[in-house]
Amino acid sequence: DVKVTQSSRYLVKRTGEKVFLECVQDMDHENMFWYRQDPGLGLRLIYFSYDVKMKEKGDIPEGYSVSREKKERFSLILESASTNQTSMYLCASSPRTSSYNEQFFGPGTRLTVL
Amino acid sequence: QKEVEQDPGPLSVPEGAIVSLNCTYSNSAFQYFMWYRQYSRKGPELLMYTYSSGNKEDGRFTAQVDKSSKYISLFIRDSQPSDSATYLCAPRTGGFKTIFGAGTRLFVKA
Repeated sequence: DVKVTQSSRYLVKRTGEKVFLECVQDMDHENMFWYRQDPGLGLRLIYFSYDVKMKEKGDIPEGYSVSREKKERFSLILESASTNQTSMYLCASSPRTSSYNEQFFGPGTRLTVL
Repeated sequence: QKEVEQDPGPLSVPEGAIVSLNCTYSNSAFQYFMWYRQYSRKGPELLMYTYSSGNKEDGRFTAQVDKSSKYISLFIRDSQPSDSATYLCAPRTGGFKTIFGAGTRLFVKA
C-alpha cells in the first residue's frame, strides 16, 4: 500500500519562528511536491523536487525553502513564519515514468501561525 | 484570470441522483486532465484521468473533456453518500506541473 506521511497533522507556531515540515514516501518515487491549500484558491505549488538535492520553484516559493537530502524525504522550511502562512500544507510524490503524473498525497499538516 | 475555474459549491443532491461537476480552463497546452477526490481531513487521491479530448468511463464515473470549448466534466451516476467529498479538476501539460482547481464540495444525502 503506497504511503506518504507527514510529520504532523496540526502545528501551531509563533510569528518569526523557523518551521520544519517533513514528508516521507515509501514508493521510491523520484518526484516530490509541496503544496499549500487555501479555501477558494485550490492547491498551489510551492516547490518541486525531481531528484535528490534537486529543486524547482513553484508558483509561490517566497518565504519558503526546501531540502531533499534523501530520495524518500522532502522537507519544507518556513524561514520566519508569518500569519499569512497559516494554511494546510500537502506533500505529494509521483513516479518519473508516469505520463499523467499521478500524484500521491499525504494527509496534510494544518499550520497555524499566531 | 485563473488557469482553471471551478465552482466551489457546495452541491447537495439526494442519493441516487446524477451529479455533474465542471471546470473551465484557459491554457490550450493542457493534454492530461485528471480528477482528484478529497475526503475531509485527507489528502486528494486520483479518481480518473483522460488524455486529450473525449470520454472515459470507470464504473459510475465518467470524465469528459471538450478541448474546443476548454471544458472538463465529471459525471457521477447513482450517487452514494460515500461520494460526499471535494472534487478537484487537475489539468496539466506534458511537464511536471499540474494545475489544481479550487474544488467543488459535494454532499450526497441518504
